[in-house]
Amino acid sequence: SQQGEEDPQALSIQEGENATMNCSYKTSINNLQWYRQNSGRGLVHLILIRSNEREKHSGRLRVTLDTSKKSSSLLITASRAADTASYFCATEGGAGGTSYGKLTFGQGTILTVHP
Amino acid sequence: EAQVTQNPRYLITVTGKKLTVTCSQNMNHEYMSWYRQDPGLGLRQIYYSMNVEVTDKGDVPEGYKVSRKEKRNFPLILESPSPNQTSLYFCASSLDGENEQFFGPGTRLTVL
Repeated sequence: SQQGEEDPQALSIQEGENATMNCSYKTSINNLQWYRQNSGRGLVHLILIRSNEREKHSGRLRVTLDTSKKSSSLLITASRAADTASYFCATEGGAGGTSYGKLTFGQGTILTVHP
Repeated sequence: EAQVTQNPRYLITVTGKKLTVTCSQNMNHEYMSWYRQDPGLGLRQIYYSMNVEVTDKGDVPEGYKVSRKEKRNFPLILESPSPNQTSLYFCASSLDGENEQFFGPGTRLTVL
């Protein structure tokens, strides 16, 4: 079942600009994670935000979570050509529920950063 | 180096010929999982394991088997592969079910 849905599906920007990607989900979550994938390779974890957190930073990454709207956003500031990749959000349901340990991914946003 | 390894990385096989894709992690993680990635469908979880001898179905378990006899290994078994199992497969591990997952490099499987 599709939990996270991402918007936009594709994003094309110039180096130095900021990139914002959004993720919406349907059911309650324990945490929401963002991953990056370079063309056909394994996914790399970027950041995890728990349901009781509203914002988190890691280097040039900023993630927000709004549980009332069931949405999250990933902001990459001062983008670089090397940031070109697909970005996925994934939700985990938490202990005590049927979704504990199950990670459900969105379809991803393809980000292209032009030099 | 902390890592998740998968073998083989590429495999072309024929319908009905049993195959196993191995997955191993060296991080002493409790949790391991298998995903498949298909164009337009994103990543979907096949099976996951919270600990040795404990496995659960993900969203698309049909046609697959797994076992977790040791903490470090979590093989994916296709007893009778079919062309609709042609896909890119990823193994992942995590400290537990609630934390970041570390992904292997992927196995590209083609079933003719």
